[in-house]
Amino acid sequence: GALVYQYPRRTICKSGTSMRMECQAVGFQATSVAWYRQSPQKTFELIALSTVNSAIKYEQNFTQEKFPISHPNLSFSSMTVLNAYLEDRGLYLCGAIRDTSNTEVFFGKGTRLTVV
Amino acid sequence: AQKVTQTQTSISVMEKTTVTMDCVYETQDSSYFLFWYKQTASGEIVFLIRQDSYKKENATVGHYSLNFQKPKSSIGLIITATQIEDSAVYFCAMREGRYNQGKLIFGQGTKLSIKP
Repeated sequence: GALVYQYPRRTICKSGTSMRMECQAVGFQATSVAWYRQSPQKTFELIALSTVNSAIKYEQNFTQEKFPISHPNLSFSSMTVLNAYLEDRGLYLCGAIRDTSNTEVFFGKGTRLTVV
Repeated sequence: AQKVTQTQTSISVMEKTTVTMDCVYETQDSSYFLFWYKQTASGEIVFLIRQDSYKKENATVGHYSLNFQKPKSSIGLIITATQIEDSAVYFCAMREGRYNQGKLIFGQGTKLSIKP
């Protein structure tokens, strides 16, 4: 089955500092990885969509300068939250897409970010 | 404009009964894909079932089935023989087009509580 691991599961960082989170696809090749954020009491917002060998596409309100993403191969992606502040807290989810068309997104268990 | 709306904030039913959760969507695309996910208490997002817009028959997976009413832009999730472990927050999501893999638009979620 398709498994997506995210690390760390939880993290606390001081306001103004940065933290990096990782996403690993196991059992399948993830040609695309989507990073989402679920803020408290809200639904999921797409941050960016990363496809291997293509430019990373950021959604409105999210920038590479704030959320740089690395997607070096078909099984791994990482995202950093730079200069984290209170509004950045939430559950960050990595969704991996298989190398076939029209398939569902498989999510990891998320990285919960708390900013103090 | 793309939008997914779940109007039911929370639902509570007795164990072993059938429950239906509503979802309506807005899209300009003639081709789109609809998904239901559930989020467990730990935050994990689990894929449940999917409906492709060009398919007339309702999708069914285990005790999950869909009520796809395309003219009404509606995709209801039906859970039969509910179990305590079905208690979770259920999200409806839509992906437009053939090539927008990973870009999901989520509804606000419906919290389902199963009572013994």
